[in-house]
Amino acid sequence: ETGVTQTPRHLVMGMTNKKSLKCEQHLGHNAMYWYKQSAKKPLELMFVYSLEERVENNSVPSRFSPECPNSSHLFLHLHTLQPEDSALYLCASSHGVGNTIYFGEGSWLTVV
Amino acid sequence: AQRVTQPEKLLSVFKGAPVELKCNYSYSGSPELFWYVQYSRQRLQLLLRHISRESIKGFTADLNKGETSFHLKKPFAQEEDSAMYYCALGFGQGGSEKLVFGKGTKLTVNP
Repeated sequence: ETGVTQTPRHLVMGMTNKKSLKCEQHLGHNAMYWYKQSAKKPLELMFVYSLEERVENNSVPSRFSPECPNSSHLFLHLHTLQPEDSALYLCASSHGVGNTIYFGEGSWLTVV
Repeated sequence: AQRVTQPEKLLSVFKGAPVELKCNYSYSGSPELFWYVQYSRQRLQLLLRHISRESIKGFTADLNKGETSFHLKKPFAQEEDSAMYYCALGFGQGGSEKLVFGKGTKLTVNP
């Protein structure tokens, strides 16, 4: 599949669980992003990776841990989340930071 | 602080009517403005950006620095325009290293 693919599309986890969200892009981009979209807030940038190095961490709690093993893959590791972390998590990529960003369909996360 | 305001959470118009989705921003530097659209069950996608000055699907948006606005307009709305629209402000290196989004406006075009 071309574009930005996120798995799983839906995830329900308990507060003590450890899970991961996966993102894969087939666009040849070298920058990848995690965004959070919750019902009551605007879309928020969480992390930015450029050439597999984290260049931005927008004051995100440590219970969210990103990993970028290569330019095509991005993970968001989740541990001891809170119910208020329930949201849509969007992955995106671009050809260089600062250029047009292409989004995945998102992963719906529910923390119970 | 950078901020994007979309004052209308919901907007409903009839097919063929003009539509304007409002967006105001707050930024002291030189902004780069975008409109993103999310159709039902589809991913968020870029609709247009002000530097390209193009018209996409009949939509246009003009950056008004005096009024700090970037309203999205279309003279004749179509049913397929029904979607969630997000205005975004880019700043930093290259103009969009960081993106701040508004809360979005849900547009419904009625037949």
